[in-house]
Amino acid sequence: AQSVTQLGSHVSVSEGALVLLRCNYSSSVPPYLFWYVQYPNQGLQLLLKYTSAATLVKGINGFEAEFKKSETSFHLTKPSAHMSDAAEYFCAVSAATGRRALTFGSGTRLQVQP
Amino acid sequence: DGGITQSPKYLFRKEGQNVTLSCEQNLNHDAMYWYRQDPGQGLRLIYYSQIVNDFQKGDIAEGYSVSREKKESFPLTVTSAQKNPTAFYLCASSGLAGDHEQYFGPGTRLTVT
Repeated sequence: AQSVTQLGSHVSVSEGALVLLRCNYSSSVPPYLFWYVQYPNQGLQLLLKYTSAATLVKGINGFEAEFKKSETSFHLTKPSAHMSDAAEYFCAVSAATGRRALTFGSGTRLQVQP
Repeated sequence: DGGITQSPKYLFRKEGQNVTLSCEQNLNHDAMYWYRQDPGQGLRLIYYSQIVNDFQKGDIAEGYSVSREKKESFPLTVTSAQKNPTAFYLCASSGLAGDHEQYFGPGTRLTVT
């Protein structure tokens, strides 16, 4: 079974500051890992994914994440926050074998202050 | 344009009534999923289907039912047995090969009073 823990249900940063959203996972088999973004009353959009290739993954809108097996982490970063980054972010895991459905963390709401 | 459509966007029902949420995809994906989203709880899997005429219970299937008569369609019925049906419902689809990436519809917000 897989599980995901997102530390911090709310994160607030100033515009131009570093964004760091934390995600730790557990999986008994090699995982696929994802970050999705959700704007109010909308569906989820994929930001980036880790699928056992490069451990540093670059996504859309300047986001990137690093897979660290020893720390079972997949933290999301962006060097400089923009007002349009304000949204809710979800980390998700899926086992490379077995059930294909994703297991999601509880989400982190990012606020960007002007 | 390829994608997933969910209708309606907002749905209101009286307690005790069954209600069906629509999900259609034209991505030619074999697998489809239903998730429920509540504030502060992330997304939880209700049902999923990997092939026509077959589906599996997810983590919170009680009070819900689904059908998969066509590859493109995976409707979800919220029955009167679901104790807390008010939520945001998201449908997703994926291929069966590759990395399990899922594509999401815009969601249906169901309010039961």
